[in-house]
Formats: sequence, C-alpha cells, structure tokens
Amino acid sequence: EAGVAQSPRYKIIEKRQSVAFWCNPISGHATLYWYQQILGQGPKLLIQFQNNGVVDDSQLPKDRFSAERLKGVDSTLKIQPAKLEDSAVYLCASSGQGGRAGELFFGEGSRLTVL
Amino acid sequence: SQQGEEDPQALSIQEGENATMNCSYKTSINNLQWYRQNSGRGLVHLILIRSNEREKHSGRLRVTLDTSKKSSSLLITASRAADTASYFCATANYGNNRLAFGKGNQVVVIP
Repeated sequence: EAGVAQSPRYKIIEKRQSVAFWCNPISGHATLYWYQQILGQGPKLLIQFQNNGVVDDSQLPKDRFSAERLKGVDSTLKIQPAKLEDSAVYLCASSGQGGRAGELFFGEGSRLTVL
Repeated sequence: SQQGEEDPQALSIQEGENATMNCSYKTSINNLQWYRQNSGRGLVHLILIRSNEREKHSGRLRVTLDTSKKSSSLLITASRAADTASYFCATANYGNNRLAFGKGNQVVVIP
C-alpha cells in the first residue's frame, strides 16, 4: 500500500513570498489533515477535511493560509505572504475507516524555511 | 483544545533498559494514541487505546490509560538503538477524528 505522498520535501523562501505544498493521501482515505510542526514541538492541526469538505479549520491563520481538497483526493496548502514564524515542517496525514479508524498515516513532511 | 503533555521531555538510557514516558490530558477523550517520529521524518502510529481500555500491548510496547487521573504511560521494554526517536501522545475527542498532540519525549538509546 502506497503511503501519504508530499512535495516538495524542502523549500526556502524570502518573507512575503508565497509557497504551496501538495499532498496525496492513501487511496480510499476520506479524511485528510494538515499539521504544522515547529522545531521542538508537537504537531498542531491546521485544517481537517472530510472528503472535500472542511471539518475543522479553527487554527488555520486564514489571513495568509489557505487549503483546498478538490475532488476529495489530493490537497494543497498555500501560504501567502509568508512570515518568519511560518518556518516549520508541514505534515499531511490521512485516515480511513474500518479496523484502523482513527489512526493517522503521515507523510514525510515539507520543511519550510522563511528567510 | 485539549492537548497531551508528556513527561519527561528527554530520556537517555542504555540499550536493553526499559523506557517509560507519561502523558496527561485535560478533558474527556474517545481514545489516546502514541506516535513515534524519527529525526526528519513523519510520524508513525504505534498504538491506540480506547477510553474504556486500561492496558494494551503491542510487541515491546505497553500502554496504560487511567481516565480517572487523565493520564497514560508508554513503556518500551528491552530498548534498542533503533528506538531512538521522539514519542508523542495524542488525544482524540468524541465526535470527530481530530487529534491534539503533546510536545513529545526525546528518547535516546545508547548502544
């Protein structure tokens, strides 16, 4: 079974520039998550999708962050304009139903450095 | 939002010893999960324990849950150098699959 795919793995940008991250979840997983993990901290949920609808985006800084999940499969997370404090690893995860419901499968993450 | 808090934050042990980590949380939960993260990698699910369970085993892992104290512990027995990683607990509320993660424990196993 293929895992969660994310790209790019690394991105370096100047502050005020924009960046986009892409995620392809495990096939058949209806729920998709974007987490932000700042160095030395635990992941913080940014947004949760159920199919192509948003379930929870209460911690997403909507003035600069946006995310979409068209057709209920792939997802993109965009930051515009970026700030220094956005430097972090952006983790995508997905979860399905059945015996392993509730268990999150994570991608390798996209590491963003804002200079 | 509720969040697990692990204790201790950093642990250094010799290979073959046991490693124990604790996690506390604030509100009622549906389940509690433990994840491992190797340096520069994504998180890997280790074990899930439901609110009506008290103990669960998986290989060298043993997890306990005390809902009256709102705490959980993760025990890794006979540790190996490959167990060197950060370990996170995460709590799930009723009604959705939203997970809130703690700050993590850094475990170093010395060969």
